[in-house]
Amino acid sequence: SQTIHQWPATLVQPVGSPLSLECTVEGTSNPNLYWYRQAAGRGLQLLFYSVGIGQISSEVPQNLSASRPQDRQFILSSKKLLLSDSGFYLCAWKVGAGSGYGYTFGSGTRLTVV
Amino acid sequence: AQSVTQPDIHITVSEGASLELRCNYSYGATPYLFWYVQSPGQGLQLLLKYFSGDTLVQGIKGFEAEFKRSQSSFNLRKPSVHWSDAAEYFCAVGARNDYKLSFGAGTTVTVRA
Repeated sequence: SQTIHQWPATLVQPVGSPLSLECTVEGTSNPNLYWYRQAAGRGLQLLFYSVGIGQISSEVPQNLSASRPQDRQFILSSKKLLLSDSGFYLCAWKVGAGSGYGYTFGSGTRLTVV
Repeated sequence: AQSVTQPDIHITVSEGASLELRCNYSYGATPYLFWYVQSPGQGLQLLLKYFSGDTLVQGIKGFEAEFKRSQSSFNLRKPSVHWSDAAEYFCAVGARNDYKLSFGAGTTVTVRA
C-alpha cells in the first residue's frame, strides 16, 4: 500500500541549533514531494518541492533547506534555527496524475524553537 | 500565480445545523480546487476535489462543494453537522500546468451541542 511517514511528531529545539525533519513514502516510485509550513493562525505555505532525486525547488527564501538523497526520502534542514521557524511542518506527496491528482499529507511535525 | 481566500477565520455551528464555508480563488484559467480537513495536531485529509464537469462535487463525510466560475468560488457545505466535524478546513487551488497547491488560511469550525 502507499503510505507517507513523517517524523518526529514533536520537537523542541533551542535557537541556533540544527534541524532535520524526515519524510519517506512507501509503495510508489519517483513521487513529487512537498514541504509545507503552517504557522499559528495562518494557512499552509509551500516551502520546497521536489520532482526527483537531487532536484529541489525553493518557493520562499528562508533559513531552511531541503534535500532528496533517495527517491522516496525528503529531508528538511536548518543549520541554525530561528524563533520564527516555529510551526507545524507537513510533508506531502502527489498522488495521481493529470486531472486526477491530489496530495496525501503526513501527520506533521510540531516544531517549537525556544 | 494562483491564490485562495477563506473569508471566515472561525465559524461556530450547532450540532445538526447546516454548515457553509466560503472559498474564493484567483487564477487565470479553470483551476483545480480542493477542500481538506485537519483535526488538531494531525495532517490534512482530502474531503473532495473539482477538476471539470459537474460543478457540484460530492465528497466524504457528507460534504459537498459547488464550483461557481462567475463568482470564483468553491464553497463547502454540509446539511447537518456532527460534533466530529469540529476541525480546521482548508481550501486549495492548483494550476493545470504544475502540481503545486496554494492553500487558504483556513476556517476553524466549532460545533456546539
